[in-house]
Amino acid sequence: GNSVTQMEGPVTLSEEAFLTINCTYTATGYPSLFWYVQYPGEGLQLLLKATKADDKGSNKGFEATYRKETTSFHLEKGSVQVSDSAVYFCALSGMDSNYQLIWGAGTKLIIKP
Amino acid sequence: KAGVTQTPRYLIKTRGQQVTLSCSPISGHRSVSWYQQTPGQGLQFLFEYFSETQRNKGNFPGRFSGRQFSNSRSEMNVSTLELGDSALYLCASSLWGQGTEAFFGQGTRLTVV
Repeated sequence: GNSVTQMEGPVTLSEEAFLTINCTYTATGYPSLFWYVQYPGEGLQLLLKATKADDKGSNKGFEATYRKETTSFHLEKGSVQVSDSAVYFCALSGMDSNYQLIWGAGTKLIIKP
Repeated sequence: KAGVTQTPRYLIKTRGQQVTLSCSPISGHRSVSWYQQTPGQGLQFLFEYFSETQRNKGNFPGRFSGRQFSNSRSEMNVSTLELGDSALYLCASSLWGQGTEAFFGQGTRLTVV
C-alpha cells in the first residue's frame, strides 16, 4: 500500500543555515504530494504541493520537487529563520488509497538564533 | 473567510465517560476529516465525511464514531474513554476531499484521567 517515510527529527540548525528534510514515498501511479507545517499550539497548514512528476512546489522560501525516478519530495530552504521552527509533515494522496491523505511521521525542526 | 473551528479547545474527562467534539468547516467545504495526533503514534486518520456520508475510515475501534450534518458541520464521539485516548484531535475541511488542499482547525486537546 501507499506509505511515506520522512527523516527522523528533531533537526536542529542555526539561523540562516540551509535546510533539507527528506521525504520518500511508496505508491503506484502518480500521487499528489504535499508538505504541511504545524507551528506550536496550532493545527496543520498546507505549505506546498505538487501534483505531477517534475513539478516544483514553493511557498515562503521553501521548495520541493516531485521526483518520480527516486520517489522523493524533499523539502528545502536556503536560509532558515527562527520562525520556521515547527513540525513538518510530508503526505501523499493517490488513487490506491481512495485519495485519503497518507502521512509521514513528521519532522520537528528547531532553529537556534 | 472564517477558518475551521473546533470546539471545545480543551477537555478533561474520566475513564469510561463519553465525549463529543465538534468541527465547523470552511463555508462551502463538503469534506470533513478527523485525525488523532499523539507524540507516540503521530497523525492517525480516523474518518472522512463527505455530504453527510462516511467516505473513508481509519483503523480505530467502534468506540470512535462520527457524523456530518446537512450544513457540513461534523461531530465525532468517543465512548467508554480510555487513558490512551488522550490526544489532540484535529479536524480538516476541504472542498472535495483529502486529495485537495485540506484546512485544519486548531484541534481539541482531550485528556482522559
